[in-house]
Amino acid sequence: QSALTQPRSVSGSPGQSVTISCTGTSSDVGGYNYVSWYQQHPGKAPKLMIYDVSKRPSGVPDRFSGSKSGNTASLTISGLQAADEADYYCCSYAGNADLVFGGGTKLTVL
Amino acid sequence: QVQLVQSGAEVKKPGASVKVSCKASGYTFTGYYIHWVRQAPGQGLEWMGWINPNSGGTNYAQTFQDWVTMTRDTSISTAYMDLSRLRFDDTAVYYCARGSNNCPTCGIFDIWGQGTMVTVSS
Repeated sequence: QSALTQPRSVSGSPGQSVTISCTGTSSDVGGYNYVSWYQQHPGKAPKLMIYDVSKRPSGVPDRFSGSKSGNTASLTISGLQAADEADYYCCSYAGNADLVFGGGTKLTVL
Repeated sequence: QVQLVQSGAEVKKPGASVKVSCKASGYTFTGYYIHWVRQAPGQGLEWMGWINPNSGGTNYAQTFQDWVTMTRDTSISTAYMDLSRLRFDDTAVYYCARGSNNCPTCGIFDIWGQGTMVTVSS
């Protein structure tokens, strides 16, 4: 199973919005509404930010939102804060009881 | 509180095996799937598979089909991941993560262990 495609890096200034894309195929992202997003700070374990494409776990700020169109899922972070600087990974069901992650995107807050 | 605590770092020689443990506390161990995810140095996350702690049933990513074994001991609320025939490129941090209670394919990992560094070196 090939990794989902994410931009290697994105950046934005405090207060701005950024969107991170996650592109797959009709066999994974496009075929199921099981897309999740994880935030990972250096040296730390990942943290669940979005699941089922657009649902937020309790405790995750509503500045974080998810969506999907066709074979591409997106994570949008509005009102950027310095603490949002981290790596972000998407994850999707890929059929046959398998899951697949994206390659990861480094978010830099300028 | 709900947490997963993993065993300590390991250094292994190529061809050897490693067994990483993941002890759950603060919730009903048999009620939630446990997934294993690894991350090579400077690289992204790679999903390895899951185990149903209640039934012991497993599903492994195709990449790992022939050389990973996931087990559990419900008496001590602990899951294990055994990787055999280690190669240099198996050097990575190995994480266990709690999955959904009823949907192992949803990709919902809400609690993560602290990670176990496995180094393969001659």
